[in-house]
Amino acid sequence: SQTIHQWPATLVQPVGSPLSLECTVEGTSNPNLYWYRQAAGRGLQLLFYSVGIGQISSEVPQNLSASRPQDRQFILSSKKLLLSDSGFYLCAWSKGGTGTQYFGPGTRLLVL
Amino acid sequence: LAKTTQPISMDSYEGQEVNITCSHNNIATNDYITWYQQFPSQGPRFIIQGYKTKVTNEVASLFIPADRKSSTLSLPRVSLSDTAVYYCLVGHGSGNTGKLIFGQGTTLQVKP
Repeated sequence: SQTIHQWPATLVQPVGSPLSLECTVEGTSNPNLYWYRQAAGRGLQLLFYSVGIGQISSEVPQNLSASRPQDRQFILSSKKLLLSDSGFYLCAWSKGGTGTQYFGPGTRLLVL
Repeated sequence: LAKTTQPISMDSYEGQEVNITCSHNNIATNDYITWYQQFPSQGPRFIIQGYKTKVTNEVASLFIPADRKSSTLSLPRVSLSDTAVYYCLVGHGSGNTGKLIFGQGTTLQVKP
């Protein structure tokens, strides 16, 4: 069966510090991968998606970036965090574009 | 991508059937309708997906009228543990990136 992992689970970072969140998927190959952010009490906002290694599409202009160095690894980064980057970050995968996405446990980021 | 509209919140009591309706007037021919459930501090969990008529699984039923401009998620005999946010999404079938737009969702509160 397929599993998706995210780490860290929780992160507290000062403003201006760098960020690296990692997501890995097991049990499947060539998945579509997605990064979402969810602010408190809000819906999910799609940040990035990837259909293959090195292929990244950005949905929202911001100080975040994403990379996919391996088939089942998706990384969310920032060079300098802003207070507004606080939120719950979720990684998801799907097999092609069927619309059925499976989500990881999430990373709660607090920028102080 | 088709936009969806669903009630912000709903209340119910244990043992009742709950129906949550979602409007998607601009749904495209190759769009599927998918529902997710999200508990606090967890990633959304896939509930059910359909294209037309009726789909049923061990968790819920999904009713889609012939014009596909709306859909209804039906949860039979809810329990307290069904208290969560429910998202309705429409997206393309296979061959697409699988981009989905999450709205605010419907917060279902089940009371004893």
